Amino acid sequence: LAKTTQPISMDSYEGQEVNITCSHNNIATNDYITWYQQFPSQGPRFIIQGYKTKVTNEVASLFIPADRKSSTLSLPRVSLSDTAVYYCLVGDMRDDKIIFGKGTRLHILP
Amino acid sequence: DTAVSQTPKYLVTQMGNDKSIKCEQNLGHDTMYWYKQDSKKFLKIMFSYNNKELIINETVPNRFSPKSPDKAHLNLHINSLELGDSAVYFCASSHPLPGAAYEQYFGPGTRLTVT
Repeated sequence: LAKTTQPISMDSYEGQEVNITCSHNNIATNDYITWYQQFPSQGPRFIIQGYKTKVTNEVASLFIPADRKSSTLSLPRVSLSDTAVYYCLVGDMRDDKIIFGKGTRLHILP
Repeated sequence: DTAVSQTPKYLVTQMGNDKSIKCEQNLGHDTMYWYKQDSKKFLKIMFSYNNKELIINETVPNRFSPKSPDKAHLNLHINSLELGDSAVYFCASSHPLPGAAYEQYFGPGTRLTVT
């Protein structure tokens, strides 16, 4: 599975757009990029998944450049409730398991 | 209308005891998992079950054993509990289709404290 690197923590303010970048330099051709969100005292929650270019859903957008060596999770107009740990995962869809890294602890300030 | 539920939410027990954590999902998924999240917040997969068949068994002590009475349930039995077993244990489920392992639904977790 491709190794991922994310910032350990980030702070932002309510109403701002937050971008969390994940590096995955050795991503393989069959690998997809998936992001999870984990609130304190809860299990992780699937947010978004993509292979290339841009994916958008009701929660976030995922931007993936042409070389796919990185990806950016974009959270529009964050609120205090977006304070959580965000995990970037990269792997082959044929894998039976996924591996969570250390994640990015996002702290939203009022 | 909980999708993946676990009981109990908190479990405090003494070293050497045997305990079980139950997990149930009402999503109709065929694959269920157990994860351990330690004090440093690292989330590691322990087991994966598909239609009552163990498909992933990471290197965990054999004191841990998953039991699946049916495809909606995957319980975790732990024998001879040790201090290092203290952690939050999460159950999860997904479809068995290729790629579905990346979209897992997690339960609320069970915080196990061994004293």
